[in-house]
Amino acid sequence: DGGITQSPKYLFRKEGQNVTLSCEQNLNHDAMYWYRQDPGQGLRLIYYSQIVNDFQKGDIAEGYSVSREKKESFPLTVTSAQKNPTAFYLCASSSYSPSSTEAFFGQGTRLTVV
Amino acid sequence: DAKTTQPPSMDCAEGRAANLPCNHSTISGNEYVYWYRQIHSQGPQYIIHGLKNNETNEMASLIITEDRKSSTLILPHATLRDTAVYYCIVRGFNDYKLSFGAGTTVTVRA
Repeated sequence: DGGITQSPKYLFRKEGQNVTLSCEQNLNHDAMYWYRQDPGQGLRLIYYSQIVNDFQKGDIAEGYSVSREKKESFPLTVTSAQKNPTAFYLCASSSYSPSSTEAFFGQGTRLTVV
Repeated sequence: DAKTTQPPSMDCAEGRAANLPCNHSTISGNEYVYWYRQIHSQGPQYIIHGLKNNETNEMASLIITEDRKSSTLILPHATLRDTAVYYCIVRGFNDYKLSFGAGTTVTVRA
């Protein structure tokens, strides 16, 4: 089945530790995205990547880092510099072919930092 | 840098049409209007998109005004499963950045 896989679904970490969230897609999409969602709020863009080995900061990149070494993978690291890391994190991918420009989302990772 | 404005919430009766408005007064000629919805605790799901013509698919209809400054998403026969947050997004065809606003929380009541 084609799609986006985020793992794990739930993640617990102690304060001060870095943590990496996984996002893999087999849709052959060029663009990938990371979003953060807090309770009762909309999605806020953290980072996005148009192509392998290239990525741009979104609206709330501070305290996060990403890499895009492979087309299929776009891991997000939540660093200890992120002041409020507890949130729901969503990954998405998108193609830019003329016939298909919508974004597809994973099911999310709920990160809790204690 | 939200490009769209949506009401924060709306209610709809089951079986009736739900009309969700979106204002995008600064939209430029090459920008599309996209709609997504997010059911609680899941990833958003694409619904429909359009440039200037009205569009219809199995999920919904999209009506875009002639001046393209606003649009309406129509769910023709709302069901309880349509209860979700609906996001209206404006995005250029070659614009890789994809930002969401707060959306409209739609509650369908029996």
